[in-house]
Amino acid sequence: GAGVSQSPSNKVTEKGKDVELRCDPISGHTALYWYRQSLGQGLEFLIYFQGNSAPDKSGLPSDRFSAERTGGSVSTLTIQRTQQEDSAVYLCASSPTLVQRGEQFFGPGTRLTVL
Amino acid sequence: AQSVAQPEDQVNVAEGNPLTVKCTYSVSGNPYLFWYVQYPNRGLQFLLKYITGDNLVKGSYGFEAEFNKSQTSFHLKKPSALVSDSALYFCAVRDSAAGNMLTFGGGTRLMVKP
Repeated sequence: GAGVSQSPSNKVTEKGKDVELRCDPISGHTALYWYRQSLGQGLEFLIYFQGNSAPDKSGLPSDRFSAERTGGSVSTLTIQRTQQEDSAVYLCASSPTLVQRGEQFFGPGTRLTVL
Repeated sequence: AQSVAQPEDQVNVAEGNPLTVKCTYSVSGNPYLFWYVQYPNRGLQFLLKYITGDNLVKGSYGFEAEFNKSQTSFHLKKPSALVSDSALYFCAVRDSAAGNMLTFGGGTRLMVKP
């Protein structure tokens, strides 16, 4: 079956612009996660959703970052007034349920470059 | 707080030789441990996990990992490396006492030379 998909695969933007990154999880997966992979920073957890709800937003790096999920499916990560330090690969993952023991299934990522 | 350390940025092995990629962790409760692999321009792919039970866990592509509670380690191993195993490997942990956040190590680049 189809895996997790993300769009766009690459995004180049100018400093100060807003960007939206999209994630389509595996059908039927109720849990969805966003991570950021930066050079020298490793993989950083940003936020997770159970259904449409995000119980813990403390991983978002600043108030310029927001995320939503609608219909228990597609999620959008929005970065407002982008800065150069936002340049990274943004990874989305999903899992069938929000279970600590379960593995997550990752998408290919969106590479964001802020000029 | 939960944490993961991968002490080696890069591991070099010759094809056909055994390989080990090291991982140590710190949690308050019980650890749920995972290994993922990332090929260039690809997302992370799940390799294997330890939840409970046997300390030796077998996973995809001939990889295995050994959970050692006393040493708080979960090293990834393979008896005979292939050039196609060259990739970036991430160890990750979830703390049973700390919710749903998955914490990743910094990654180890494995280079297998012919």
